[in-house]
Amino acid sequence: SQQGEEDPQALSIQEGENATMNCSYKTSINNLQWYRQNSGRGLVHLILIRSNEREKHSGRLRVTLDTSKKSSSLLITASRAADTASYFCATDNSDYKLSFGAGTTVTVRA
Amino acid sequence: KAGVTQTPRYLIKTRGQQVTLSCSPISGHRSVSWYQQTPGQGLQFLFEYFSETQRNKGNFPGRFSGRQFSNSRSEMNVSTLELGDSALYLCASSKGLTEDTQYFGPGTRLTVL
Repeated sequence: SQQGEEDPQALSIQEGENATMNCSYKTSINNLQWYRQNSGRGLVHLILIRSNEREKHSGRLRVTLDTSKKSSSLLITASRAADTASYFCATDNSDYKLSFGAGTTVTVRA
Repeated sequence: KAGVTQTPRYLIKTRGQQVTLSCSPISGHRSVSWYQQTPGQGLQFLFEYFSETQRNKGNFPGRFSGRQFSNSRSEMNVSTLELGDSALYLCASSKGLTEDTQYFGPGTRLTVL
């Protein structure tokens, strides 16, 4: 079973717009991570946010974490065609595994 | 440095056969994890090895097994293949410490006919 649920399942935006996706999880976590996957290939690590952090930035990415609501959001600003991919949140409970959400498929239109 | 490599990249098998997938981690990484990705179930954790010891195992039947060698390379084996085993199998490596970034390989696409 998956720990995280992501919303929306799919997102289509124009190049230059922002994309926001949300992730909710069920149990307490050590940290939450976001990954990107291009067309059935391997996963690329984007950002990690610890349970005691509320917000983190990396380039055009902004991640928030609300442990009281057990939710996180990923914002991609000024999207580009190359951002077209599936995005997954994954929770780490310090048990040597990641529990992934179902993912959000983002399509950036030129 | 070289990334995580997985071999083979594509594999076609028939029901009842067995298959072995291989994963070579990034140099210096001692932890290797395996995940199965299917359209229906998403990304599911299979198992994690650190210094040849399995530290965690997911909810998969005993047909799924793995091992890690002293050079940190890992293999996973699926015996008596079923149609539902068709999936992308992803391997990830890390140093094995808490909050380490996991680096994923390109995956092995297994098709069971």
